[in-house]
Amino acid sequence: NAGVTQTPKFRILKIGQSMTLQCTQDMNHNYMYWYRQDPGMGLKLIYYSVGAGITDKGEVPNGYNVSRSTTEDFPLRLELAAPSQTSVYFCATAGTGVTGELFFGEGSRLTVL
Amino acid sequence: GESVGLHLPTLSVQEGDNSIINCAYSNSASDYFIWYKQESGKGPQFIIDIRSNMDKRQGQRVTVLLNKTVKHLSLQIAATQPGDSAVYFCAERGHGDYKLSFGAGTTVTVRA
Repeated sequence: NAGVTQTPKFRILKIGQSMTLQCTQDMNHNYMYWYRQDPGMGLKLIYYSVGAGITDKGEVPNGYNVSRSTTEDFPLRLELAAPSQTSVYFCATAGTGVTGELFFGEGSRLTVL
Repeated sequence: GESVGLHLPTLSVQEGDNSIINCAYSNSASDYFIWYKQESGKGPQFIIDIRSNMDKRQGQRVTVLLNKTVKHLSLQIAATQPGDSAVYFCAERGHGDYKLSFGAGTTVTVRA
């Protein structure tokens, strides 16, 4: 099992460009999350999903969009990239929403210049 | 603001000594707490968790203590090894919630 796979691992964007960070899981987990991690900081929740067709905002959703058309995929879309979106993005999954164990991908490092 | 935070951003510990990493939280409705370890360039990995109806839980070389009176959580690592060098995060989940809130993290460096 690959677990949680994120692509790309690294990306440089110009201000105003758009892109999609991909997240795929083969764990058949219902719950999926997108976090961002700024240098020296903890993780901030951007969006999450409790199942296919259901998404909800987290703590810092502005400037991002998500979709969840399948159980496996949870892409994060950045529209009109800004320098403030320079960060490392982590996708995570959980089998249930009750226990705390999230399974994280390796991260996607995004730089907006 | 954040509901979970750590007391110290860095901790240096001699190999073989015990490490104690502290975390304070402010949300009294939180009923589930988790510690994660993040090695350089990787995603966080689950270490141990504890429910609010417990005050202590032990794993392999790790112990989590929960003091609900003062809203304090700690992670103890026994016989710290070089492989324990990482950033450690505490996280909490509210009752019935599906989301985790993370603290800022403590960077642990193990001296040989």
